[in-house]
Amino acid sequence: RKEVEQDPGPFNVPEGATVAFNCTYSNSASQSFFWYRQDCRKEPKLLMSVYSSGNEDGRFTAQLNRASQYISLLIRDSKLSDSATYLCVVNRAGYSTLTFGKGTMLLVSP
Amino acid sequence: ETGVTQSPTHLIKTRGQQVTLRCSSQSGHNTVSWYQQALGQGPQFIFQYYREEENGRGNFPPRFSGLQFPNYSSELNVNALELDDSALYLCASSSGQGYTDTQYFGPGTRLTVL
Repeated sequence: RKEVEQDPGPFNVPEGATVAFNCTYSNSASQSFFWYRQDCRKEPKLLMSVYSSGNEDGRFTAQLNRASQYISLLIRDSKLSDSATYLCVVNRAGYSTLTFGKGTMLLVSP
Repeated sequence: ETGVTQSPTHLIKTRGQQVTLRCSSQSGHNTVSWYQQALGQGPQFIFQYYREEENGRGNFPPRFSGLQFPNYSSELNVNALELDDSALYLCASSSGQGYTDTQYFGPGTRLTVL
């Protein structure tokens, strides 16, 4: 089983739509959780960290369920510029190395 | 921009050759991690350097080696290149070893092995 699993998509949505991505992780020792965004042929960029209490940054909301080992990202009012691959990322306590999922591709159309 | 730079941007090599990729970390960062991203995959951890010492290694063979210099810049060396080594190689710098430290990625080096 992969350590971090994501639906690769693509998710095709119209502008203004709400879209949700899910991710599961297998290592219960995972301590920190992130969503990164990666544009085509570019480097990953940190979108947001994910906390147990859930957190929001503008149109983006991230949730963590430690019991189910499940992370989610909700994007409201999708923009064309949101088109990218969204990478679910975890790391373990005591380690600063990141474990990435394969990514979920989002395509937002006019 | 993150302030992390990598060189070269693109590289084409043939099987069996050796390659050296370079990374300059963000000012004030003493930790550099290297990742390999094959097409359609997420980045995979190769190894990490903290204050010039290797500080963890992923599931990569010994022909992948590295160095970190006193100014915290780093090199990734790959010997005996194989076709499957074709990928985007990313380095990321951070200010410490802690798992809460944000890692900032450079633009990557795209390696093609023919």
